[in-house]
Amino acid sequence: DAGVTQSPTHLIKTRGQQVTLRCSPKSGHDTVSWYQQALGQGPQFIFQYYEEEERQRGNFPDRFSGHQFPNYSSELNVNALLLGDSALYLCASSGGTGPQSTEAFFGQGTRLTVV
Amino acid sequence: AQSVTQLDSQVPVFEEAPVELRCNYSSSVSVYLFWYVQYPNQGLQLLLKYLSGSTLVKGINGFEAEFNKSQTSFHLRKPSVHISDTAEYFCAVSRYMEYGNKLVFGAGTILRVKS
Repeated sequence: DAGVTQSPTHLIKTRGQQVTLRCSPKSGHDTVSWYQQALGQGPQFIFQYYEEEERQRGNFPDRFSGHQFPNYSSELNVNALLLGDSALYLCASSGGTGPQSTEAFFGQGTRLTVV
Repeated sequence: AQSVTQLDSQVPVFEEAPVELRCNYSSSVSVYLFWYVQYPNQGLQLLLKYLSGSTLVKGINGFEAEFNKSQTSFHLRKPSVHISDTAEYFCAVSRYMEYGNKLVFGAGTILRVKS
């Protein structure tokens, strides 16, 4: 059973460019969340997708957008990249209902470096 | 709003010694609690979780944690650590909401096991 997979693993972009990160959830999961982990910090919630809609959003600017596809996979898009966007971007999937739906399984992350 | 405080940024300990990583949370409602481990350049792996029931929770790799509602704490313990336990540990809190849920993480504690 494949867990959460993310691509690419590493990425270098120039300030002002746009980037797309991809995530496939764990089998059986229908909810995908994205987190940003800056160096030396804990992960920060960006947003969550369920049934192809953004269900909840953290304190991130509109430059951060996402999408969920019918097969539950997801993309994170960041426009007009800033040096401060350099971080490890983590995708997490979850499923089910009730308290169990709060348990998230994480991918290996995409390391984004903005130069 | 929920928040998590991990009281120690780094904990050095000798191999085979016991260790406790401290976590306090704040929330006005009932929450669910998690500990994740992150090895260098990797994603997050779930160690254990408290959703309900017994306040003493056992996880993988010999770790356990105790949920203390009155002290709003969820400290992680291991009676005897190994070199391979060297990693960063994150405490996280969530609560179930029908319109979506998110994990709120602490800043992390780096556990350094010395021989």
